[in-house]
Amino acid sequence: DIVMTQSPDSLTVSLGERATINCKSSHSISYRSSNRNFLAWYQQKPGQPPKLLIYWASTRESGVPDRFSGSGSGTDFTLTISSLQAEDVAVYYCQQYYNTPQTFGQGTKVEIK
Amino acid sequence: QVQLVQSGAEMKKPGASVKVSCKASGYTFTSYYLHWVRQTPGQGLEWMGIINSSGGSTSYAQTFQGRVTMTRDTSTSTVYMELSSLRSEDTAVYYCAREKGLDFAAAGTVFDFWGQGTLVTVSS
Repeated sequence: DIVMTQSPDSLTVSLGERATINCKSSHSISYRSSNRNFLAWYQQKPGQPPKLLIYWASTRESGVPDRFSGSGSGTDFTLTISSLQAEDVAVYYCQQYYNTPQTFGQGTKVEIK
Repeated sequence: QVQLVQSGAEMKKPGASVKVSCKASGYTFTSYYLHWVRQTPGQGLEWMGIINSSGGSTSYAQTFQGRVTMTRDTSTSTVYMELSSLRSEDTAVYYCAREKGLDFAAAGTVFDFWGQGTLVTVSS
């Protein structure tokens, strides 16, 4: 199975500041020929299921604010929240879908400073 | 609007089985595959398997092979996940999740709608 490792485990950021979460896969999850990166990001708030934010590493799901952006390729990926809002407090997970079983990172908790 | 509504919390003894339901609405049930994902404090989010809502075929994660059975009832737009031989490590929140239609073939998938989750507690 492909192992997904996120860093840091937790992050404290001031309102309006940038938050950056990293995700590293144990195997490349990109098809170079198609320029596709099989990486998704989810946001989970307490007591709620995960919510899809981004797929193909950088495509925002419908309705997701543009302060959320994703980047990366190969084995290294990043989720950036450009200007942290109070409602962004949550745990964020990356997930690869290059192979089955699709696997998730351990999560990064984002809090307000 | 798309909704996946799951059955309520369960408490089971080790060795027992549990069956969780997930009723879909707001879209054509047979047009989307449904998956089960569980969340534990120790293992985080784990994909368990997939069911073809139309034909009923299934594929399970190796971890759960032999212990999990997924079924569907098209007349009620409901999928079921039964997990047997429960042990304390199976204590988790179990989610059903809809597979998002992607514009490019992938071995795996992403999940665009999730049920609210069902807490299954295994304890003697």
